[in-house]
Amino acid sequence: ELKVEQNPLFLSMQEGKNYTIYCNYSTTSDRLYWYRQDPGKSLESLFVLLSNGAVKQEGRLMASLDTKARLSTLHITAAVHDLSATYFCAVDPNTGNQFYFGTGTSLTVIP
Amino acid sequence: DVKVTQSSRYLVKRTGEKVFLECVQDMDHENMFWYRQDPGLGLRLIYFSYDVKMKEKGDIPEGYSVSREKKERFSLILESASTNQTSMYLCASSIIEGRGPTEAFFGQGTRLTVV
Repeated sequence: ELKVEQNPLFLSMQEGKNYTIYCNYSTTSDRLYWYRQDPGKSLESLFVLLSNGAVKQEGRLMASLDTKARLSTLHITAAVHDLSATYFCAVDPNTGNQFYFGTGTSLTVIP
Repeated sequence: DVKVTQSSRYLVKRTGEKVFLECVQDMDHENMFWYRQDPGLGLRLIYFSYDVKMKEKGDIPEGYSVSREKKERFSLILESASTNQTSMYLCASSIIEGRGPTEAFFGQGTRLTVV
């Protein structure tokens, strides 16, 4: 059974601080996705990582992928309140037709 | 812009009713998916479809069926709704591998309450 594990599940951090969310998965895959979900809303795509060593950055968020370790990270730099949301990683096994999601990391940035 | 539209944002149904959740995408995507989202469990795949009239079971298909008669439309059917099917339902679509980035695009979600 394919497993996608995120940690931490809950993260409360102060504005201005840095932190990293981890996403481990149990299958062979070179495609990993990060999504953001605001309360009561749907999922919005943040990053698409399509190869080993891929790194993408957008504003205060940076995502990376290590396919050998089956690990992706989402690094938050100098957090601001607007980043408060739930973040999901999703893995697409090399069959190309499905997405398996982690349980999500609920991030709260405190002023 | 990719648009995935779910027919209802909120639904309240009675136990035993047959429930239809509709999803339409306008980007000619081959793949379509139905997920349910519950607190602490993340998103779990119910069914997906990679072509018209084709369907594959996901991780939790029991109590659900699907229909894809046209490429742009993917329907989720609860044959006899039960209270344990109260959840947020999310539809998504994606392009087939080789035609472009394969990320999934999501609809706005349907919050279903079964009473």
